[in-house]
Amino acid sequence: NAGVTQTPKFRVLKTGQSMTLLCAQDMNHEYMYWYRQDPGMGLRLIHYSVGEGTTAKGEVPDGYNVSRLKKQNFLLGLESAAPSQTSVYFCASTHPGSYEQYFGPGTRLTVT
Amino acid sequence: GEDVEQSLFLSVREGDSSVINCTYTDSSSTYLYWYKQEPGAGLQLLTYIFSNMDMKQDQRLTVLLNKKDKHLSLRIADTQTGDSAIYFCAESKGGYQKVTFGIGTKLQVIP
Repeated sequence: NAGVTQTPKFRVLKTGQSMTLLCAQDMNHEYMYWYRQDPGMGLRLIHYSVGEGTTAKGEVPDGYNVSRLKKQNFLLGLESAAPSQTSVYFCASTHPGSYEQYFGPGTRLTVT
Repeated sequence: GEDVEQSLFLSVREGDSSVINCTYTDSSSTYLYWYKQEPGAGLQLLTYIFSNMDMKQDQRLTVLLNKKDKHLSLRIADTQTGDSAIYFCAESKGGYQKVTFGIGTKLQVIP
């Protein structure tokens, strides 16, 4: 049981480049989330999904897109990366009625 | 709107008790949490308390909730160097389990 995994662990992008971050969970969770963590700002919710084929905006969705084509995967896309998107990105999952979110180890992204 | 506030830094000596404080604004919060983040790792749930409880104890951890003042605290007894981490206070209202996090308190344990 791997829990929540994230790919890649680290990435450096140039401004304007695109990339996709992959989150996978093997716990059959319905709900999945993408957060970004910045110094002095805690974790902020980017997008979330409450089931396969559904997505919704969180607190800071601009500049990001997401897809949940399979229940176990939640993809976060940056179409045109900006330095302001330099951050550590965390994925989490849970199931309805649970009090706990399970977090992945994070992806450290630097945009130069 | 929803807001969770906590201090940035706390330093304690090994063996002492640590108390990390948090205030929140949303009176309809259902669950309040303490998550722990060790360097280079994701967040891990440390403990939680349901909003109709005043206190929860789990081994060295004691959570106190004052609903009237919207104040949550985490006490770690006999603090060890392995407790050095960032501790996040958080709250949720159920629904889709969207969680609002504080900025995190960095706990430094001095040997």
